[in-house]
Amino acid sequence: QVQLVQSGAEVKKPGASVKVSCKASGYTFTTYYMHWVRQAPGQGLEWMGILNPSDTSTSYAQKFQGRVTMTRDTSTSTVYMELSSLRSEDTAVYYCARPPYSNSYYFDYWGQGTLVTVSS
Amino acid sequence: DIQMTQSPSSLSASVGDRVTITCRASQSISNYLNWYQQKPGKAPKLLISAASSLQSGVPSRFSGSGSGTDFTLTISSLQPDDFTTYYCQQSYTTPPTFGQGTKVEIK
Repeated sequence: QVQLVQSGAEVKKPGASVKVSCKASGYTFTTYYMHWVRQAPGQGLEWMGILNPSDTSTSYAQKFQGRVTMTRDTSTSTVYMELSSLRSEDTAVYYCARPPYSNSYYFDYWGQGTLVTVSS
Repeated sequence: DIQMTQSPSSLSASVGDRVTITCRASQSISNYLNWYQQKPGKAPKLLISAASSLQSGVPSRFSGSGSGTDFTLTISSLQPDDFTTYYCQQSYTTPPTFGQGTKVEIK
């Protein structure tokens, strides 16, 4: 069965970077794009970007351009999301999410979420 | 970006009630509208895709309708497990965007 298992919670200081991992299993890793979505405490859902694990191509939401980098390691079927220049407003739960069809833009499998806390 | 507006933001209802949540897009999105249920501390769960296609395993009391800019999620008879938050999301164009959520509370 499809599983997305994310790395554990992180606490970072303003200005630092964080790298969150998402290990995929139960399907052919390079067949499906992977998205990242975040949710600030008590707030709604915000799409951050998409990675094609097959060719590493990416597309990022304009809000995060220049601060976010999505990568993958095919040897471990893991995708990564790195966010730099962290500020308090980046405190959120970060999810990886897989679409039901290769490059569709809705999500039927989600990781469990990784809480990133940005605090001095 | 396409703005998605849900109404109401919250509602109070009783077990057995029929509940309708509305989602409006800032421009036409055809039927590229999806509904999620999210419980506290958990990832969202896809309930309905393409405006009205119920996902496997989702109870039939959930239904979706609409096209263009106006969409609805209906729960025909609320069950105790349904008291949580629901989000709509458009997948018509990038960036995909979500509504602000509707919290369904026990009256």
